[in-house]
Amino acid sequence: GAVVSQHPSRVICKSGTSVKIECRSLDFQATTMFWYRQFPKQSLMLMATSNEGSKATYEQGVEKDKFLINHASLTLSTLTVTSAHPEDSSFYICSARDQGTQFFGPGTRLTVL
Amino acid sequence: DQQVKQNSPSLSVQEGRISILNCDYTNSMFDYFLWYKKYPAEGPTFLISISSIKDKNEDGRFTVFLNKSAKHLSLHIVPSQPGDSAVYFCAAKPDYNFNKFYFGSGTKLNVKP
Repeated sequence: GAVVSQHPSRVICKSGTSVKIECRSLDFQATTMFWYRQFPKQSLMLMATSNEGSKATYEQGVEKDKFLINHASLTLSTLTVTSAHPEDSSFYICSARDQGTQFFGPGTRLTVL
Repeated sequence: DQQVKQNSPSLSVQEGRISILNCDYTNSMFDYFLWYKKYPAEGPTFLISISSIKDKNEDGRFTVFLNKSAKHLSLHIVPSQPGDSAVYFCAAKPDYNFNKFYFGSGTKLNVKP
């Protein structure tokens, strides 16, 4: 299947700082990528849909000014968690659609101290 | 509003036997269903999918069954192997939104040697 990478895999930061997570589709072009968040023992929660060359579409309850998404090319989307707080600590996963199936990146564990 | 439900949080099966993971949904507009496998601290890996026009799809040891009248799908793994131990998520896509996938809460499968 298609390959999606994420970087970094793990990040620890201080409260109030911003963290950028990259999502890349390695062997296909993705006009649409997705950002999910997973809390322990819970399902994947879609945060936003990232559209190449246009604004991201955010799900209800997700602060767009808090979670900045940029989809500058057909193979790269970035999620920036701005002014991170401990409650933002979570596992963030991106995915990209290749034809009818979503393929997921390996995830990024964010810990905000 | 949980449109995709996995009511069994965990399942334990002996190696070599069949594993059956169940998933129920409420939205009759779902037209595409997928199963993902997830190890801790990793992104989900696509396993198998099925379109709503079919009632069965098989890929090696994995078979997905779809019962549209009951709004139920299941994943059968035969024979189960210890390496199959992971969390399994079912997902569904509505026909009116090509991008939005709804995920169940996952079932943790433990295959005992």
